[in-house]
Amino acid sequence: DQQVKQNSPSLSVQEGRISILNCDYTNSMFDYFLWYKKYPAEGPTFLISISSIKDKNEDGRFTVFLNKSAKHLSLHIVPSQPGDSAVYFCAASASGSARQLTFGSGTQLTVLP
Amino acid sequence: GAGVSQTPSNKVTEKGKYVELRCDPISGHTALYWYRQSLGQGPEFLIYFQGTGAADDSGLPNDRFFAVRPEGSVSTLKIQRTERGDSAVYLCASSASGAYNNEQFFGPGTRLTVL
Repeated sequence: DQQVKQNSPSLSVQEGRISILNCDYTNSMFDYFLWYKKYPAEGPTFLISISSIKDKNEDGRFTVFLNKSAKHLSLHIVPSQPGDSAVYFCAASASGSARQLTFGSGTQLTVLP
Repeated sequence: GAGVSQTPSNKVTEKGKYVELRCDPISGHTALYWYRQSLGQGPEFLIYFQGTGAADDSGLPNDRFFAVRPEGSVSTLKIQRTERGDSAVYLCASSASGAYNNEQFFGPGTRLTVL
C-alpha cells in the first residue's frame, strides 16, 4: 500500500509558465515533507521541504503548499525553465522514527523551450 | 567538498552470486541510509545507521540482505544468493545527525543487474 502517491507520471509545460506537481499521502503520522529532484544517472537532490506546522514554504522560484486536512501537498515552480526538466519525487517522514524517507513514484517534468 | 560516493556504479552478476555495494558518506555525517529504487518507482527505505549501529533495519526485504558500518563511516550493503528481483538501483544517503530537518544527501547509486 503506497503511503505517498504521485498520480501524474509526467507533466509538460512551456518555458516561463507555472509547473504544479501534486502529491498525496495517507499516513497521518507524517509530519515533514520534502521534494527531491533527480536527473538521469544521478542521485536525488533536495529541493525544498515543509514542516506540518506550516502550510507554505517558499524558496526562490519554488513554493511548496501543504493541506493537512486533505493530506495533499504541491510544488509550484514559477517561472519554469528548461533546466527544471527532471523527475520530481515527493517524500515524507515521521518524527520518532529513524527519519527514513517514504517516496512517491515520481513525476517526470518536461519544460519546453 | 566531496559528496556521497558509491562503488561500483554498475554491477552485473549471475543469479545465486554474492555482491557487496559500498557507500562513502559525506565526512562527519553520522546518519547513513540505504534505499532501493526499482524501475518506475521511488526509492524505498532499506536500513538506517546512526554511527556504527543499525538503528532501523525494518526495510530489508529478507535475510539475504545485510549491511554494516563498522567504523561509523563507510558502509557496505551485502546481498547473498542474489535473485533477478534484486535488480535495481541501490542508493545511499547521509545526513549530519538524522534529525528531522537534516537534509539527506544522496549518492549516484549502484545499478545492480542480476542475470
